[in-house]
Amino acid sequence: DADVTQTPRNRITKTGKRIMLECSQTKGHDRMYWYRQDPGLGLRLIYYSFDVKDINKGEISDGYSVSRQAQAKFSLSLESAIPNQTALYFCATSDLDRGWDSTDTQYFGPGTRLTVL
Amino acid sequence: GQNIDQPTEMTATEGAIVQINCTYQTSGFNGLFWYQQHAGEAPTFLSYNVLDGLEEKGRFSSFLSRSKGYSYLLLKELQMKDSASYLCAVDDYKLSFGAGTTVTVRA
Repeated sequence: DADVTQTPRNRITKTGKRIMLECSQTKGHDRMYWYRQDPGLGLRLIYYSFDVKDINKGEISDGYSVSRQAQAKFSLSLESAIPNQTALYFCATSDLDRGWDSTDTQYFGPGTRLTVL
Repeated sequence: GQNIDQPTEMTATEGAIVQINCTYQTSGFNGLFWYQQHAGEAPTFLSYNVLDGLEEKGRFSSFLSRSKGYSYLLLKELQMKDSASYLCAVDDYKLSFGAGTTVTVRA
C-alpha cells in the first residue's frame, strides 16, 4: 500500500461548487503539506501543518481552507471553486525532526487532478 | 520572499552529461533539495545538500555553494528514462520550489 494516498485522483466540477480533497498517510509523520502545480510555475505551497494543532498559510492560501483531522489526515477544501483553481494538487508529508539523512525528506502523494469548469 | 531560478528546458543525448543549475535568494536556508518528476506523477527525492560541496549518488551528483546561493544537479550517462522535470527546492522549514527544468534525452 502507498504511504501517502490522495482521494479523489481526478475530479471535474463546476464553478461555485464546494470541493474537498483528502490526504492520508501511514508514515507516522507529523508534518503535512498541500501544494498545487501549474505548468511553468512549479509547486506552490497552499497550507502546511507541523502537528494536529498547528495550521499555517502558504504562499497561495486565498480561496482554500484546510483541516487536520488527525496526525494521519489533512484535507484541503475549496469553498467555492473557480476555473483558475484548475491544477494538479499534491499532498506531502515529512518528519524533519528526526534529522537529515537521505530518507528524511518530503514524501508526495500521487496527486489529484482538479478541473473547474 | 523566495526567488529560485532554474532553466526551463534542456536537451541532451543518451550517454551524455547534463548539468542543471539553480540559483536562489531566500529569506532563510536550511538546505537544498533536488527532486525528479515524470509527467503527471509525484516528485521523487533525488538529493539533499546542507553543506557546501559535492554529493555523489551513482549517476546523479548535486553541488551546493551557500555563499553564492547556487546549486547544480549533474546527471551522468544519461538514459532515456531520465527524461523528466527536475525541481530545485530550498528548505526553510517548508519547501519553496523553482519552476522546474524539463530535460529531454534524445537517442
